[in-house]
Amino acid sequence: GENVEQHPSTLSVQEGDSAVIKCTYSDSASNYFPWYKQELGKRPQLIIDIRSNVGEKKDQRIAVTLNKTAKHFSLHITETQPEDSAVYFCAASSWNSGGSNYKLTFGKGTLLTVNP
Amino acid sequence: DSGVTQTPKHLITATGQRVTLRCSPRSGDLSVYWYQQSLDQGLQFLIQYYNGEERAKGNILERFSAQQFPDLHSELNLSSLELGDSALYFCASSVEPGAVGYTFGSGTRLTVV
Repeated sequence: GENVEQHPSTLSVQEGDSAVIKCTYSDSASNYFPWYKQELGKRPQLIIDIRSNVGEKKDQRIAVTLNKTAKHFSLHITETQPEDSAVYFCAASSWNSGGSNYKLTFGKGTLLTVNP
Repeated sequence: DSGVTQTPKHLITATGQRVTLRCSPRSGDLSVYWYQQSLDQGLQFLIQYYNGEERAKGNILERFSAQQFPDLHSELNLSSLELGDSALYFCASSVEPGAVGYTFGSGTRLTVV
């Protein structure tokens, strides 16, 4: 089955700096890669996702890049703010219409701390 | 509010007991997914239902079972509870089985003592 590795497990940055979280996946059939943000004691919330037919996607201060050949994808947060502090999870799935593999396989998470 | 409702929010029970966690998906969503989140294992997929039928199974123990009812709400039953079953249990829902950009509920925190 799919295996997703996420690094680093903890990341501390100064406010205004950039943060980068990296994930690798094992199943070459995976074609959907979402990122979730989870604040302490709360539910994971989807912040951005990318499908395998694109290499990069951006939404304001957040961007995700995908390298299908190397089977890795990354989350980039620019101009970090204290409210960005949370645990970030990457995930992978090999979704296809009519297929049967609908589950997301998650990385272990990265605790991001943005220091004021 | 994500639109996915989970009850109860907290549950404390003794080893060997049985509990039922409930999930109501967002209006219009036919698929329900259950995940277990523990400190050492992260978010682990348990099981998925679509319109009442089981569609995918993950690392779900035999002591655990689930079902989705005609009104589309789902229940996760955990029996013969062990200390290691203490975790956050999340439900998520989506419109179609393959619509993997799904929405999580707020979770049920289960503590087994």
